[in-house]
Amino acid sequence: QVQLVQSGAEVKKPGSSVKVSCKASGVTFSSYAISWVRQVPGQGLEWMGGIIPMFGKGNYRQKFQGRVTITADTSTSTAYMELSSLSSEDTAMYYCARGMRRGYLDDAFDIWGQGTMVTVSS
Amino acid sequence: EIVMTQSPATLSVSPGERATLSCRASQNIGSNLAWYQQKPDQPPRLLIFGASTRATAIPTRFSGSGSGTDFTLTISSLQSEDFAVYYCQHYNNWPPWTFGQGTKVEIK
Repeated sequence: QVQLVQSGAEVKKPGSSVKVSCKASGVTFSSYAISWVRQVPGQGLEWMGGIIPMFGKGNYRQKFQGRVTITADTSTSTAYMELSSLSSEDTAMYYCARGMRRGYLDDAFDIWGQGTMVTVSS
Repeated sequence: EIVMTQSPATLSVSPGERATLSCRASQNIGSNLAWYQQKPDQPPRLLIFGASTRATAIPTRFSGSGSGTDFTLTISSLQSEDFAVYYCQHYNNWPPWTFGQGTKVEIK
């Protein structure tokens, strides 16, 4: 069965970092882009960045430059998103999502993870 | 950054009726547009890509049209399971890929 399975919910202190994982199963991993999209409770969707695992270089939204790092481990078919210098404004559901076509970062997202809730609170 | 604007914010429709949702891009994005459906406590689900191609297993009552800057998602006859929030997203050339703010389709 084709799926992306994310790590569990996190509670973090302001100023700390969080690292969320996204493991692919039943799908080819290395040549398809994985993007990270977040959703603040009750609000819309925001693309944060993405990576094509076989190329290994993350591409980030300018808003998150310097604070987000997206990596991928092709040996375990797992992508990671690390966000640093957390504030309450980073409290959100974080999703990983796969691009439809091999080798394209610019693409629609056909497979989504179940989401990881990150809560930032002192 | 391309701004995606959806209208209306909320659409009240009776079951069996037609729903028409709009999405406008701040610049030409060709046909590089997707539509998603999101229900409470679920991730988004891809409905349409390439502005008009239905994704796998999407019912034929969902259709997309448009190119350039103006796009439409039509649900021909609303079923109970279609009441949800719908988002458009562009994926034209360079990131960031941006989403519209969403249209909530609610029961009238």
